[in-house]
Amino acid sequence: GEEVAQTPKHLVRGEGQKAKLYCAPIKGHSYVFWYQQVLKNEFKFLISFQNENVFDETGMPKERFSAKCLPNSPCSLEIQATKLEDSAVYFCASSQSVTGTGYTFGSGTRLTVV
Amino acid sequence: DQQVKQNSPSLSVQEGRISILNCDYTNSMFDYFLWYKKYPAEGPTFLISISSIKDKNEDGRFTVFLNKSAKHLSLHIVPSQPGDSAVYFCAASSVAGYALNFGKGTSLLVTP
Repeated sequence: GEEVAQTPKHLVRGEGQKAKLYCAPIKGHSYVFWYQQVLKNEFKFLISFQNENVFDETGMPKERFSAKCLPNSPCSLEIQATKLEDSAVYFCASSQSVTGTGYTFGSGTRLTVV
Repeated sequence: DQQVKQNSPSLSVQEGRISILNCDYTNSMFDYFLWYKKYPAEGPTFLISISSIKDKNEDGRFTVFLNKSAKHLSLHIVPSQPGDSAVYFCAASSVAGYALNFGKGTSLLVTP
């Protein structure tokens, strides 16, 4: 399809529980990015993929966060043992190439840790 | 450490007038700059970009100006329309396609 599909739209987890977020990039797009938006107006880059390979993971917290993009499956972002500070909107974006007109973002998954 | 700064959290403009949104950056390695528009409960939508080899890029009502020596860019919207009311994010990367560094956004309100 022509949109980046993120599921679920909302996710509520108790502290210490696992959270798993999914992203289906636009077909034909080779690059996938994950961003975390905390407090409405701060986007933080987490990780990017080129196909199923990690391209840049400099923003990923070393503990508790992991991500995958496997062939023929949605990409996923998993947070083990969630903390209150993980509450945020997580955006996925995809891109056809490393140059051009910018990335297409999904509408995000709002994670609330209680 | 915020490398992309949007110092005006909000801006109000009358319909038909020019909206000017500003953005400053600190990292001289940034080479590619983008503007995104965001409505509540939606993802950011790409508006316009500019690479460091240019100082201006125009697309319809939207023009981005880049002043590399001042590490400053601006987005001009002419004429402004009520549908332009949204939060505008400036973003930059060292290479097109790499991780974006975002500003904190400017909320634009266009009044009839």
